[in-house]
Amino acid sequence: DAGVTQSPTHLIKTRGQQVTLRCSPKSGHDTVSWYQQALGQGPQFIFQYYEEEERQRGNFPDRFSGHQFPNYSSELNVNALLLGDSALYLCASRLIATNEKLFFGSGTQLSVL
Amino acid sequence: ILNVEQSPQSLHVQEGDSTNFTCSFPSSNFYALHWYRWETAKSPEALFVMTLNGDEKKKGRISATLNTKEGYSYLYIKGSQPEDSATYLCAFYGTASKLTFGTGTRLQVTL
Repeated sequence: DAGVTQSPTHLIKTRGQQVTLRCSPKSGHDTVSWYQQALGQGPQFIFQYYEEEERQRGNFPDRFSGHQFPNYSSELNVNALLLGDSALYLCASRLIATNEKLFFGSGTQLSVL
Repeated sequence: ILNVEQSPQSLHVQEGDSTNFTCSFPSSNFYALHWYRWETAKSPEALFVMTLNGDEKKKGRISATLNTKEGYSYLYIKGSQPEDSATYLCAFYGTASKLTFGTGTRLQVTL
């Protein structure tokens, strides 16, 4: 049973570019959420997807967008990258109908130069 | 903006010591409190999900308590081992249906 998988593991971009990060949830899970982990901070909630729609959103600008596909996998897109977007991006999955713990992927380390 | 605070920020103990950390969170609109352990180069892993005031959870040498009325949770580790070295994160889950994490407590256990 595969857990949450994320790709790529590392990524280097320059300011102004666009990036797409990918996540496959744990088998049987229908809800995917994305978090940004900057140095010295706890994971910050970006948004959550369920039934292919964004259901909740944290305090992130519109440059951050996402998508969920019919197979429950998800993408995080960031446009017009800024230096401050450099961070570890974590994906987590769970079943929407439960108050269960989140299962996390190992993250994508994004560096913006 | 929700405020979830953890203390101490970091902790260095010797093998065999018992230790505890604190997580403070809003006492209103509470739904659940999560604890996660995050080892270096690995994914965060859930320890406990706590929902009821007075809840106590235990997993091996690790236990946690919850006070929703005053907005705090304690995580205890009995007889710390080097493999307990990790960052311990708590996360508040309110009625807004999103997890708000604290900044974590970094624990280092040495021989």
